[in-house]
Amino acid sequence: QVHLVQSGAEVKKPGASVKVSCQASGYMFSDFAIHWVRQAPGQRLEWLGWINAGDGNTKYSQNSQGRLTLTRDTSASTIYMELSSLTLEDTAVYFCARDQGWYVTGWFGFDHWGQGTLVTVSS
Amino acid sequence: DIQMTQSPSSLSASVGDTVTITCRASQAISNDLGWYQQESGKAPQRLIYAVSSLQSGVPSRFSGSGSGTEFTLTITSLQPEDFATYFCLHLNTDPLQYTFGQGTKLEIK
Repeated sequence: QVHLVQSGAEVKKPGASVKVSCQASGYMFSDFAIHWVRQAPGQRLEWLGWINAGDGNTKYSQNSQGRLTLTRDTSASTIYMELSSLTLEDTAVYFCARDQGWYVTGWFGFDHWGQGTLVTVSS
Repeated sequence: DIQMTQSPSSLSASVGDTVTITCRASQAISNDLGWYQQESGKAPQRLIYAVSSLQSGVPSRFSGSGSGTEFTLTITSLQPEDFATYFCLHLNTDPLQYTFGQGTKLEIK
């Protein structure tokens, strides 16, 4: 059974960095990409970036480029999201999600999600 | 960039009702669109992928349809466990863009 388990809530001051983990189990870790998505209060979900768990390649959204770093530890089947230079606007619930990939004619989408990690940025 | 407008933002219905939620794109998009359900405080769960393909284990009262700029999620014979928030998610590959609808909160009347 596939599980994505995220680390716990964080409270940070403006200008600090936060690192959230997403530990995968129940499948071959290297076979799937993992995305990070966030939801600020009252806002729609926002895609931040993804990492290929197999080769470590990453792709970031324009909004997160330069502040977001995704890494992986294959020995621990864990993906890490680090967001730097935090502002109040980074307060959100952060989710990791597994990308199921592509079939013959289309995209499967995100088939499993982590439980979410609340990151609060407050002075 | 593709803009996605989901409507309605909230919806009140009764057990047994049929409801429809719509995502409209600012331009014609591919069929790489899925629908997700999110209960309060929980992780989202995929209901439908590729516009109309039902995720294994999801009840057949959920269905998706659409093409071009308009896509819909229909839930027939609403059950108490269906009262949650629903959102669409689209992938555009070139340029790469993942776009979410703003969500529809389905509440019990």
